[in-house]
Amino acid sequence: DAKTTQPPSMDCAEGRAANLPCNHSTISGNEYVYWYRQIHSQGPQYIIHGLKNNETNEMASLIITEDRKSSTLILPHATLRDTAVYYCIVRVGAGNNRKLIWGLGTSLAVNP
Amino acid sequence: DGGITQSPKYLFRKEGQNVTLSCEQNLNHDAMYWYRQDPGQGLRLIYYSQIVNDFQKGDIAEGYSVSREKKESFPLTVTSAQKNPTAFYLCASSIPTGGASPYGYTFGSGTRLTVV
Repeated sequence: DAKTTQPPSMDCAEGRAANLPCNHSTISGNEYVYWYRQIHSQGPQYIIHGLKNNETNEMASLIITEDRKSSTLILPHATLRDTAVYYCIVRVGAGNNRKLIWGLGTSLAVNP
Repeated sequence: DGGITQSPKYLFRKEGQNVTLSCEQNLNHDAMYWYRQDPGQGLRLIYYSQIVNDFQKGDIAEGYSVSREKKESFPLTVTSAQKNPTAFYLCASSIPTGGASPYGYTFGSGTRLTVV
């Protein structure tokens, strides 16, 4: 029961910004949004997470709308190594019952 | 460097045999998780453990068993009762309590199990 929806695939030119959208219209006030990526046959890699405010780290930026119903992950200068499946995930529950709900993700292809 | 180690990377077993997948972490994380991933699918939670000697069933626990005797280790046994065990298995760990973990969940590199 994924709580997020993402486009199944996207393309991006190398060196350009990649903007990956995610809808999470049923998110509740205390649920965080996480972004991970998975390169083929490897374990997912944490990218960034946020609750209300926009966030930035060395890998990406996360823009969350004011109503928190959607967000966008921005890779500012995509490289070929950024080709991967990107998952937008909501963390639900509290205390010891906290868990991540995974959807199908967006397969990003960065083209030379 | 701290991390999670899953072994083996590839595993082949005959139908009807039990098999145990290893997961070890040196991150000092309290919580550990097992996920299953099938082609073109997201991750599905099998079991998780928030503390030593305690674990809970996830969304697809049938046919699997776990133990958590040490903080560092969370082995998963795929039993003969699991009807479709061929899949990619991922182990993860995190800090379970307090606010959002700054780094979310850390994953191992996975074990690809093939039952023939």
